[in-house]
Amino acid sequence: DAKTTQPPSMDCAEGRAANLPCNHSTISGNEYVYWYRQIHSQGPQYIIHGLKNNETNEMASLIITEDRKSSTLILPHATLRDTAVYYCIVSPRDYKLSFGAGTTVTVRA
Amino acid sequence: EAGVTQFPSHSVIEKGQTVTLRCDPISGHDNLYWYRRVMGKEIKFLLHFVKESKQDESGMPNNRFLAERTGGTYSTLKVQPAELEDSGVYFCASSQRRWGAVDTEAFFGQGTRLTVV
Repeated sequence: DAKTTQPPSMDCAEGRAANLPCNHSTISGNEYVYWYRQIHSQGPQYIIHGLKNNETNEMASLIITEDRKSSTLILPHATLRDTAVYYCIVSPRDYKLSFGAGTTVTVRA
Repeated sequence: EAGVTQFPSHSVIEKGQTVTLRCDPISGHDNLYWYRRVMGKEIKFLLHFVKESKQDESGMPNNRFLAERTGGTYSTLKVQPAELEDSGVYFCASSQRRWGAVDTEAFFGQGTRLTVV
């Protein structure tokens, strides 16, 4: 079972930042938080991951709270091509990642 | 660098027939995973290879599914005989080190959409 909780959907205006929350209150000390997205029917695409420090790459930023019980994925300037289902995944010790239902993000012009 | 490649992209077969899906992981990735999403459900783990060895196949639904990874390179997933409930999208992923256990990411292919009629 997924160990994360995400809102089912959210809208975002094109050009604005999209902030996607994720709760993972049962996360263990050595577990990572991963974010993937699935655009339409394509394969899941890796976005970013982190352990405790905030992370940034060319796609997004990941903000993890100090207690590590929640995180936020930030898409700094959302485009129409960012419309997708976003999955927050906590790495299980047995690596059988469960994707859960994710958050359906719709970017509107 | 080529990504994870899956063949075919689509397959339509009749119930009772056999279908073989193929996955070519990223070169150098010892870890290979199969996942699938059946109609309306979430993406679920099927099995995990490390090189040519099956590390975990606990997600395989039944013995009609057979996965192989001869030589530790590409992998095949055979469904024989196919049933209607096998319809869905089958994803393959690969990673250099074991995904989730260490600081590493896994990369997915575009999937094979299987339709059993």
